[in-house]
Amino acid sequence: QVQLQESGPGLVKPSQTLSLTCTVSGGSISSGGYYWSWIRQHPGKGLEWIGYIYYSGSTYYNPSLKSRVTISVDTSKNQFSLKLSSVTAADTAVYYCARVPMVRGVIRNWFDPWGQGTLVTVSS
Amino acid sequence: EIVLTQSPATLSLSPGERATLSCRASQSVSSYLAWYQQKPGQAPRLLIYDASNRATGIPARFSGSGSGTDFTLTISSLEPEDFAVYYCQQRSNWPTFGPGTKVDIK
Repeated sequence: QVQLQESGPGLVKPSQTLSLTCTVSGGSISSGGYYWSWIRQHPGKGLEWIGYIYYSGSTYYNPSLKSRVTISVDTSKNQFSLKLSSVTAADTAVYYCARVPMVRGVIRNWFDPWGQGTLVTVSS
Repeated sequence: EIVLTQSPATLSLSPGERATLSCRASQSVSSYLAWYQQKPGQAPRLLIYDASNRATGIPARFSGSGSGTDFTLTISSLEPEDFAVYYCQQRSNWPTFGPGTKVDIK
């Protein structure tokens, strides 16, 4: 059973870069068949898709965040990572990683399973 | 961007009652709609994908229906563990989520 676990600093200063890593266990990212995604949830609010990556490095990003987001993959560590630059208080959120299935070469764009999430606060 | 609206915002019901949650899209998403359940302090859990397919391990009391712009999640008989927030999510363009419906105990 695949499990995902987010890790990274819980506090980031404004204008700096938020960096998080998701470690996948119980399955190999490099096996293919799935994209690997980041999603965030502002406190008490709804969910926002950030982007996702395939083991090959192919990425898709939310247009509203694209200029500040980089998602990368390290298949040797079975991890993928998120970098969000020039953060402000509006980037304070719980950040989740999740798996996205591909079926017959098509990204199915539903998220299952999810990591437990990690709260990142942007504050000086 | 496709905008999803969910109604009602809050649904107050008793265990054993039937819950009917609505999700409406600002334009057609075909059948590309998923439903998630989220409990306090937990990550969302996939319930339904492609409008009507239950995810692995999801009880049969959860069912989804609809296509185009109007979708429904039905919980046939509420169990105590079903009181939570429910989100719909479309995948027609890039993924977007609805604002959620909270199902609480009456």
